[in-house]
Parts: sequence; C-alpha cells; structure tokens
Amino acid sequence: SQTIHQWPATLVQPVGSPLSLECTVEGTSNPNLYWYRQAAGRGLQLLFYSVGIGQISSEVPQNLSASRPQDRQFILSSKKLLLSDSGFYLCAWSVQEANEQFFGPGTRLTVL
Amino acid sequence: KQEVTQIPAALSVPEGENLVLNCSFTDSAIYNLQWFRQDPGKGLTSLLLIQSSQREQTSGRLNASLDKSSGRSTLYIAASQPGDSATYLCAVYSSASKIIFGSGTRLSIRP
Repeated sequence: SQTIHQWPATLVQPVGSPLSLECTVEGTSNPNLYWYRQAAGRGLQLLFYSVGIGQISSEVPQNLSASRPQDRQFILSSKKLLLSDSGFYLCAWSVQEANEQFFGPGTRLTVL
Repeated sequence: KQEVTQIPAALSVPEGENLVLNCSFTDSAIYNLQWFRQDPGKGLTSLLLIQSSQREQTSGRLNASLDKSSGRSTLYIAASQPGDSATYLCAVYSSASKIIFGSGTRLSIRP
C-alpha cells in the first residue's frame, strides 16, 4: 500500500529565516506530487505540482519554491520567511493528473 | 474562473439523523469531483471521487452525487454518528492539473 510522509509536523521559525519542508511517498512510482497551503479560516490553495523529477509548475507567485530531487521526494523551500507564510502545508500525490489525490498529515508552520 | 462554494459553513445535528452537505461550482466543464474530510489539525482523508461521466458514488454510509449541468454535488451521510464530526471539503478538478477546493462545511454530530 502507498503511504505519504511529511516532516516536520510542526515548525516555528522567525521572520527572515530559511525553510525546508519535506514530503516523501512510498509504495508507488512516478507519482504526481502537490504542495498546498491552508491558511487559518481560508480554503486550500494549490502552490506547486510536479509530474516528474525536476518538473515543477507554480500556481501562484510567492515567496516559496519547490523541488523534486528524486521520484518520490518533494521539497518546499524558502530563502526568507514572511509572516504571511504561516499556515498548514499539505503534500499530496496522485497516480495521474485529475485522478484521486491522497494527502499527507501536514506541517503546521508558524512564522513569528 | 472556477469557484467552489459549500453551504452551510457549519452544521450541527443530533446523532442518528441523515444529512446532506452541498457543494456548488460555477463551471460545469470539470474532470472529477472529490469529497474529503478533515479532522482538526490533520490532513485530508479522501472519501469519494466522482468522475465527470458518473452521477454518483457510494461508500458505506456515504453517497455522493454529481449534477454537472446544474453545477452541484451533494454528500449524503446516513445514520450520522459522533465520529462523523469533522470538516467536509469538496474539490473540483477544473483541468488536468488544477484542483479548486471549497471552504468546507464544519459538521458536528451531537450525541
């Protein structure tokens, strides 16, 4: 069976510090991978998606970037965090585009 | 631009009742529609996926319907239980790679 992991589970960072969140998927090959952000009181927003190693599409301009160094690894990064980067970050995977997406447990990021 | 709306934002019902959650979308040209539940502080759990060619899907006490022409989907929960308390989100695949979420309905089942 397939599983998706995210770490860390929670993170508190000062403004201006760097960020690296990691997501890994087990039990499948060449998945589509997604990063979402859920801000307090707001819906989920798709940030990035990837259909293969090194292939990243950005949905919205922002202070964040994503990378996919390995088939089942997806990383969300920032060089300098802003207060507005606080939120709940969720990683998801699917077998093919527009197919059922499965979500990880999430990382709660608080920027102070 | 696709917009997804879920009404009501919150719902409280006594245990044992059957209930319906609503999801509406503005553009009927969708690929799929997916229902999720989210417990506080947790990730999303997939409940049901309805492909654009389907009209409904069932899983246990859950039944989801899709009417593309009217831009509506409903999630029917039979014989509700306290463990069903959570936020329910619907998500519309408006293209092969773009998924739009509703803001969710927070459901509370009173024992």
